[in-house]
Amino acid sequence: GAGVSQSPSNKVTEKGKDVELRCDPISGHTALYWYRQSLGQGLEFLIYFQGNSAPDKSGLPSDRFSAERTGGSVSTLTIQRTQQEDSAVYLCASSLDGPNTGELFFGEGSRLTVL
Amino acid sequence: LAKTTQPISMDSYEGQEVNITCSHNNIATNDYITWYQQFPSQGPRFIIQGYKTKVTNEVASLFIPADRKSSTLSLPRVSLSDTAVYYCLVGRHGSSNTGKLIFGQGTTLQVKP
Repeated sequence: GAGVSQSPSNKVTEKGKDVELRCDPISGHTALYWYRQSLGQGLEFLIYFQGNSAPDKSGLPSDRFSAERTGGSVSTLTIQRTQQEDSAVYLCASSLDGPNTGELFFGEGSRLTVL
Repeated sequence: LAKTTQPISMDSYEGQEVNITCSHNNIATNDYITWYQQFPSQGPRFIIQGYKTKVTNEVASLFIPADRKSSTLSLPRVSLSDTAVYYCLVGRHGSSNTGKLIFGQGTTLQVKP
């Protein structure tokens, strides 16, 4: 596709349920990023992939959060046993090379609401 | 990782030039400075990137003094549609990094008629 695609755009779930958020980066982009943005707040870095590898997972808020990337393309962010504080917009971005080398292209985000 | 400091908010009027300054005192030698714009309910969008002196594109200018400890994003003749949050990032080019690009809180620019 022409841009970064994220799905679902909106997800409402009950506390304790697991959710999966998907990111389809721009074709050919080797780097992929996940950020979280709570209402009225800045972007919180979660994790970065270069290819299928994630050099730094320290941004993940807890062990309920995990992410994977397969085939150097699609990435899935999984949140297990969701809590109300997980409610936020989860943004995915991709870039052509590694980090810090140029423009990040963001998707529209997945808005997660945990009831 | 270089920490950035920006004003939380700024107000302006249509047609004025807006300058948003970002402080990054511990910027490293091979760090670049990048600015993003974010509208409500959208992901951030790249505006401009620079290393030193001045960079200009069709949207904005970026001024970076010789010591590179700060940078100023300049938006000429703003319109109501420039109302958004503006983020300054400092990041390192090169192979040995972890990709942890920190956005910070950004500057909320409100343009008034």
